[in-house]
Amino acid sequence: GDSVTQTEGLVTLTEGLPVMLNCTYQSTYSPFLFWYVQHLNEAPKLLLKSFTDNKRPEHQGFHATLHKSSSSFHLQKSSAQLSDSALYYCALSDWNNNAPRFGAGTKLSVKP
Amino acid sequence: EAAVTQSPRSKVAVTGGKVTLSCHQTNNHDYMYWYRQDTGHGLRLIHYSYVADSTEKGDIPDGYKASRPSQENFSLILELASLSQTAVYFCASSETESSYEQYFGPGTRLTVL
Repeated sequence: GDSVTQTEGLVTLTEGLPVMLNCTYQSTYSPFLFWYVQHLNEAPKLLLKSFTDNKRPEHQGFHATLHKSSSSFHLQKSSAQLSDSALYYCALSDWNNNAPRFGAGTKLSVKP
Repeated sequence: EAAVTQSPRSKVAVTGGKVTLSCHQTNNHDYMYWYRQDTGHGLRLIHYSYVADSTEKGDIPDGYKASRPSQENFSLILELASLSQTAVYFCASSETESSYEQYFGPGTRLTVL
């Protein structure tokens, strides 16, 4: 079945350094990939999602590229900010399965 | 903006008791979902529904029932609450197709003693 793997449970960075959070997936069908962000005591919210036409989605300085050859959708940002500290989830859905599955999440902690 | 509300926002229940968590959406979305959140496990799908009066099992349905009496409302029922069901529960809704984003409610913190 469909699955999403986020290998890092916790990533700690110094402000200003680049961010990369890993996401790999398994899907029988051509999937849609999402990144959700959850700040402390809040609900998860969509950060960005993959496009069907290979455009690279970007939002709030974050971007991700869907690489079908390596089944990956890593989240990147050139310079981390203190306000980026949050829990980040990678999620997957496809035309055969309309209930998105989430990875275990990666907690990003940005220090001054 | 899309709106999903949950009630109660927190609850303490006794082992063996019945618990009902409610979710209401005003988005006119067909799909609704229940997830539980646990540290180290992320968001795990319990039940979901794509039409009123019908529910589907997710990945971890054991010990939970779901009810979708209308397009707007989706409940999660724990008939016999257990300690292992202590978690934060999130409801979400989305439009019909899988490419659409999910809108989450604020969550319900359930503690079973």
